[in-house]
Amino acid sequence: QKEVEQDPGPLSVPEGAIVSLNCTYSNSAFQYFMWYRQYSRKGPELLMYTYSSGNKEDGRFTAQVDKSSKYISLFIRDSQPSDSATYLCAMSASGTYKYIFGTGTRLKVLA
Amino acid sequence: NAGVTQTPKFRVLKTGQSMTLLCAQDMNHEYMYWYRQDPGMGLRLIHYSVGEGTTAKGEVPDGYNVSRLKKQNFLLGLESAAPSQTSVYFCASNPGGSGSYNEQFFGPGTRLTVL
Repeated sequence: QKEVEQDPGPLSVPEGAIVSLNCTYSNSAFQYFMWYRQYSRKGPELLMYTYSSGNKEDGRFTAQVDKSSKYISLFIRDSQPSDSATYLCAMSASGTYKYIFGTGTRLKVLA
Repeated sequence: NAGVTQTPKFRVLKTGQSMTLLCAQDMNHEYMYWYRQDPGMGLRLIHYSVGEGTTAKGEVPDGYNVSRLKKQNFLLGLESAAPSQTSVYFCASNPGGSGSYNEQFFGPGTRLTVL
């Protein structure tokens, strides 16, 4: 079993839809939870990060962490064609140098 | 600030050839990383460095070597390229320091094909 599991998609939604992207993990030591956005043929860029459990909101994006279920989510409200990209979740434990990445979910928002 | 840069952007090698990928960062970051990204596999850590002169193995280090002679540069070497090393390679850096979150910054990637 991989430490981090992520549905690869692809996920196609109409413009304006609410998108839900998810990852599950097995390592209870993870404390930092990140979401990266990667456009085609580009490097990943950090979208949001959350420490421990709870929600974090940034504009149209909301990140949720449920440590009891070992489950994290990224919600995108009012999705736009410019949101079309691959979204990678990543996690790390406090005091470590390593980040563990999910395989990424490819999202396409149709105009 | 250029951030994290990678050289070259594209390369085609024949099996058995060698090459070096260069990563440079101008943010004075302590930690640097080399990942490879393959379809369905996500980002896998090859080697990393927590400071000038130090390197360590990641998840998939076989067939690669690295050096960090200067803080701002992290080199990834392929001594004898194999078709299985066809991939997109990403370098990343972060400020370093344990016990707190540090944002990881990525380079634009190097697309390598080994024939």
